[in-house]
Amino acid sequence: AQTVTQSQPEMSVQEAETVTLSCTYDTSESDYYLFWYKQPPSRQMILVIRQEAYKQQNATENRFSVNFQKAAKSFSLKISDSQLGDAAMYFCAYRSYSGAGSYQLTFGKGTKLSVIP
Amino acid sequence: NAGVTQTPKFRVLKTGQSMTLLCAQDMNHEYMYWYRQDPGMGLRLIHYSVGEGTTAKGEVPDGYNVSRLKKQNFLLGLESAAPSQTSVYFCASSHFGPLFGKLFFGSGTQLSVL
Repeated sequence: AQTVTQSQPEMSVQEAETVTLSCTYDTSESDYYLFWYKQPPSRQMILVIRQEAYKQQNATENRFSVNFQKAAKSFSLKISDSQLGDAAMYFCAYRSYSGAGSYQLTFGKGTKLSVIP
Repeated sequence: NAGVTQTPKFRVLKTGQSMTLLCAQDMNHEYMYWYRQDPGMGLRLIHYSVGEGTTAKGEVPDGYNVSRLKKQNFLLGLESAAPSQTSVYFCASSHFGPLFGKLFFGSGTQLSVL
């Protein structure tokens, strides 16, 4: 079974600075998708960024970018110019094939990010 | 746009009681999921469905049952609630195929079992 590991339960960053959240995963698949989701105190789950494994280019979405290292099975999230609204739980997720044409997302345990004014 | 709607938002049960959580989506999604979120554990998949009339077990299915009689609805049942089922429950849905991965989540149900 695929596993997703987020080794940093909590992180903090000064407003306007840059922070990197780590994620590693274990898989035997060659084609897969990876995601970062954000969960603010409102409890809403928001997709931040998505990376297809077959693409060598790292995905970017405005201030959010990833460092995807396929051989190392590493998928870190970089947040630039951190804002107070970035304070949230961040979950790394892996799309795994569960047979019969169906897929599911496996989530890491999350990293709580605090932004210091 | 309603998206994914979960009812109820909060519920308190006594041990041994039963209840059903309802999830409804209006996006014509094929896939629907039930996750539970516990502190320090992330989101863990309970059951999921890849289409009307189909269900499958996820990572933590014990003590739960599900049904998908209509494409837009996915019900999660607790037949005999236990304190270990105190959690926040999330329903989610997604498209089939290459768009899969972007899950649309409901706002969650806070369940406490005393």
